[in-house]
Amino acid sequence: NAGVTQTPKFRVLKTGQSMTLLCAQDMNHEYMYWYRQDPGMGLRLIHYSVGEGTTAKGEVPDGYNVSRLKKQNFLLGLESAAPSQTSVYFCASSYSRGGYEQYFGPGTRLTVT
Amino acid sequence: DQQVKQNSPSLSVQEGRISILNCDYTNSMFDYFLWYKKYPAEGPTFLISISSIKDKNEDGRFTVFLNKSAKHLSLHIVPSQPGDSAVYFCAASGWGSQGNLIFGKGTKLSVKP
Repeated sequence: NAGVTQTPKFRVLKTGQSMTLLCAQDMNHEYMYWYRQDPGMGLRLIHYSVGEGTTAKGEVPDGYNVSRLKKQNFLLGLESAAPSQTSVYFCASSYSRGGYEQYFGPGTRLTVT
Repeated sequence: DQQVKQNSPSLSVQEGRISILNCDYTNSMFDYFLWYKKYPAEGPTFLISISSIKDKNEDGRFTVFLNKSAKHLSLHIVPSQPGDSAVYFCAASGWGSQGNLIFGKGTKLSVKP
């Protein structure tokens, strides 16, 4: 039981390049989330999904797209990376929302130069 | 506007003493509160939670207190251990956040041997 895994762990991009971050969970959770963490800013929700085939915007969605084609996977895409997207990205999943705890992956450290 | 505030960026405590981490919130529609712990280069891990119908929840050395009238919660760690040194995030959810978690900016706890 691996929990929540993220690929890759580190990545350096040049401005304008694109990439996809992959999140996978093996807990059969319906809900999945993408957050970014910046120094002094806590965790901010980018996008989330309430089930396979659904996605919704969070607090800071601009510049990102997501897809949930399979229940266990949640992909985060950057179409044209900008230096402001330099951050640590965390994926999480949960059985439900509200009072249910979220399980986090180990994070992806992305640097955009 | 920050809905969940952790006003102390850092806290230093002697091993064996009590650590008290504080969190304030502004949205009266929040009805569930969680604490997460985060070590460097790892994802956040769930620590303890409390529903708005309670004012206290205990789990071993960790106790969370909720004061709804003051919109304030606190996490007590007794006794503190060096392994407790980490960043602690307070999070809240409810109708005011569409069920999603809203995180504070975190408090870095250092427990000195």
